[in-house]
Amino acid sequence: EVQLVESGGGLVQPGRSLKLSCAASGFTFSNYYMAWVRQAPTKGLEWVASITNSGGSTYYRDSVKGRFTISRDNAKSTLYLQMDSLRSEDTATYYCTREGPRRSLDYWGQGVMVTVSS
Amino acid sequence: DTVLTQSPALAVSPGERVSISCRASEGVNSYMHWYQQKPGQQPKLLIYKASNLASGVPARFSGSGSGTDFTLTIDPVEADDTATYFCQQSWNDFTFGSGTKLEIK
Repeated sequence: EVQLVESGGGLVQPGRSLKLSCAASGFTFSNYYMAWVRQAPTKGLEWVASITNSGGSTYYRDSVKGRFTISRDNAKSTLYLQMDSLRSEDTATYYCTREGPRRSLDYWGQGVMVTVSS
Repeated sequence: DTVLTQSPALAVSPGERVSISCRASEGVNSYMHWYQQKPGQQPKLLIYKASNLASGVPARFSGSGSGTDFTLTIDPVEADDTATYFCQQSWNDFTFGSGTKLEIK
């Protein structure tokens, strides 16, 4: 059974950093692209970043470029999102997702809440 | 960015057929996918590449469309289908529609 379990969320002040982790199991992690998607409270879904299966290429939405870094450790089957210079508009539930056929998002974690507030 | 437009809400009775639409601001070459999100839960993939049923999803769900206009159909609707449905394109980066909230009367 595919499982994605996020951790590392919490309350952080504007301008500070936070690192999210996603532990994957039930599939060969190194074979899949992975992505982070976020959802602000009572809002819609927003893609944040993606990474290729080898980790050799990364992609970001414009609003997080230069502040967020997606990475992975295939030996540990773990995906990361380093978030620096956090802003109030980054407040959201962050989901770890697996990219499936035609870059659909075929598995999602339960999500982790990040609140940016003073 | 490719903007995806969905109607905000629909209400139908159990047993009826419902179609949820998604219009893209530019062609997405059938790289359109549909998700169901129930309150307090993570989204779940229903349909990928416009018309392909995801694993474990009941055949009551189907998808159609190409180019800029896509439809998710549920037939027949059941009470458990109460949820918000999102479309997402992956032809030009990733963008999501704003979601259609489906109420079962």
